[in-house]
Amino acid sequence: DQQVKQNSPSLSVQEGRISILNCDYTNSMFDYFLWYKKYPAEGPTFLISISSIKDKNEDGRFTVFLNKSAKHLSLHIVPSQPGDSAVYFCAAGDPGANNLFFGTGTRLTVIP
Amino acid sequence: NAGVTQTPKFQVLKTGQSMTLQCAQDMNHEYMSWYRQDPGMGLRLIHYSVGAGITDQGEVPNGYNVSRSTTEDFPLRLLSAAPSQTSVYFCASRQGHSSYEQYFGPGTRLTVT
Repeated sequence: DQQVKQNSPSLSVQEGRISILNCDYTNSMFDYFLWYKKYPAEGPTFLISISSIKDKNEDGRFTVFLNKSAKHLSLHIVPSQPGDSAVYFCAAGDPGANNLFFGTGTRLTVIP
Repeated sequence: NAGVTQTPKFQVLKTGQSMTLQCAQDMNHEYMSWYRQDPGMGLRLIHYSVGAGITDQGEVPNGYNVSRSTTEDFPLRLLSAAPSQTSVYFCASRQGHSSYEQYFGPGTRLTVT
């Protein structure tokens, strides 16, 4: 059963506007959350993360929000740029399992 | 630093053949993992290792073997390839238990006919 879910397979946004990518999880033991970005024919690259003791983490144009009561996190990209077009994976860390669990990904297209 | 390297980049196998996907990292990371990526399935963990000589199964281990004789290398062996193993395979490493930030290799695209 998928413990990390990204229910939107794709998202299109105009350049300069905000992109919001969503992620839901089911396991309350997850204590760390990460977003990865993936271009075609390349491996995923780390983008931004957040610990479960925080509700927001910001890095330049990227902000991740965590709502533990709803078991939901989101990635905001402001302003969106064409180079942001990629597949974004949400991941969650389970300290007991020594593993990261990944969502199915959301393909973001930023339209110039 | 080369980071995480994988070879080959592409491979075509016939059903029943065996092969080894190579993975190496030069960051002295303790943890290494193998994932497969399939359409609509995200990244699924095959096997992982928390240090040299220690390996464990992930979500989808059947049909694959791993070993970790050194910190740097973590090869993935397909024992008898099946069409269901057609996928893109990613190797990843991370510092250790205190860090979840993983570094991924460029991937191996495997087709089994």
